Amino acid sequence: GESVGLHLPTLSVQEGDNSIINCAYSNSASDYFIWYKQESGKGPQFIIDIRSNMDKRQGQRVTVLLNKTVKHLSLQIAATQPGDSAVYFCAENSGYSTLTFGKGTMLLVSP
Amino acid sequence: EAQVTQNPRYLITVTGKKLTVTCSQNMNHEYMSWYRQDPGLGLRQIYYSMNVEVTDKGDVPEGYKVSRKEKRNFPLILESPSPNQTSLYFCASSFTRGQNQPQHFGDGTRLSIL
Repeated sequence: GESVGLHLPTLSVQEGDNSIINCAYSNSASDYFIWYKQESGKGPQFIIDIRSNMDKRQGQRVTVLLNKTVKHLSLQIAATQPGDSAVYFCAENSGYSTLTFGKGTMLLVSP
Repeated sequence: EAQVTQNPRYLITVTGKKLTVTCSQNMNHEYMSWYRQDPGLGLRQIYYSMNVEVTDKGDVPEGYKVSRKEKRNFPLILESPSPNQTSLYFCASSFTRGQNQPQHFGDGTRLSIL
């Protein structure tokens, strides 16, 4: 079947570089945001989340930045590795029970 | 190991032949959800369940049914599948009623309806 990776914007980086993946969200009332990583043949995997009362949150090698003024979310991956190659999705909690997902960005890491 | 398990992982079938995709989670999560993923459209929610015996429509519920008789299981039923339901399906779960909780996903079920 057709890969979910087709039709997606693609970011190509060299191993060891820092990667920045961006996401614009739609609902100014959203108060919770998540980044997911999806590898080929697998389901989305939780990476990091952030609540709207924060503008930055750090994990292991990853940082999420939230700019509520312009409704923008970014995921920074430090020292990108080939194993980081995947599709990355942002998601916003736009209702009590609903997550709305972005279309995704494909990250390709060259050795 | 904490996980969401879907079966089958792959299925090719014909129009009109009823099928069920099972989903089970072992994390005692209250909230469960089904999504379909299509190229260019991303993940779209089909149905969700806040708890046992409570289900609600998502964004694209037409042609699907669900049930939540037990906390751990949330099967997706296609009573009369059609080719436009060919897609990659994901089940997900989270602890509470969805807000401010990351959802954990299964590895997907690829359905092809001929």
